[in-house]
Amino acid sequence: NAGVTQTPKFRILKIGQSMTLQCTQDMNHNYMYWYRQDPGMGLKLIYYSVGAGITDKGEVPNGYNVSRSTTEDFPLRLELAAPSQTSVYFCASSPISTGELFFGEGSRLTVL
Amino acid sequence: KNQVEQSPQSLIILEGKNCTLQCNYTVSPFSNLRWYKQDTGRGPVSLTIMTFSENTKSNGRYTATLDADTKQSSLHITASQLSDSASYICVVSEGGTASKLTFGTGTRLQVTL
Repeated sequence: NAGVTQTPKFRILKIGQSMTLQCTQDMNHNYMYWYRQDPGMGLKLIYYSVGAGITDKGEVPNGYNVSRSTTEDFPLRLELAAPSQTSVYFCASSPISTGELFFGEGSRLTVL
Repeated sequence: KNQVEQSPQSLIILEGKNCTLQCNYTVSPFSNLRWYKQDTGRGPVSLTIMTFSENTKSNGRYTATLDADTKQSSLHITASQLSDSASYICVVSEGGTASKLTFGTGTRLQVTL
């Protein structure tokens, strides 16, 4: 069972570069989320989706964009990377809005 | 502002010993409280989800308690094992949806021989 798969696991970007973090889930969950985890801080919600074609902003959306063209995929786009976006990013999915979250293994991004 | 405070920040215990982690929250309205285990370099994994009406919930050697009146929860780990070494994160849901979750900063537990 793959669950939630994130790629890449590690990436170093230069300031101003752009990239996409990929997230795929094979559990047919409608709800998907992107979080960032910074040292000493709780996870913060960046964007979320309640189904294909529907996305909404979370607590810290600035500098990011998402799309949800299929139930399985929820990519996170970073435009014009900044050092403040250095973080560990987690994708998660859930079968219902109130249900258990299933997390991916994380993507560690460093912006220099 | 909704907040989740966890204590202690870190803890070292001997293998086989018990320990209790604390979580205090000010999230309102309250829907449910979750405990997650996060191994180093991995994603969080759910241990329990407790609703307002649940006082105690167990998952193997992990037992979570909830006092909704005092807005406190605890996670008790019995007969600790080396594999219990991880961060334990308390998460409180406001209004029920996962888009309204407030995460604590976690308690880092180290179990040693």
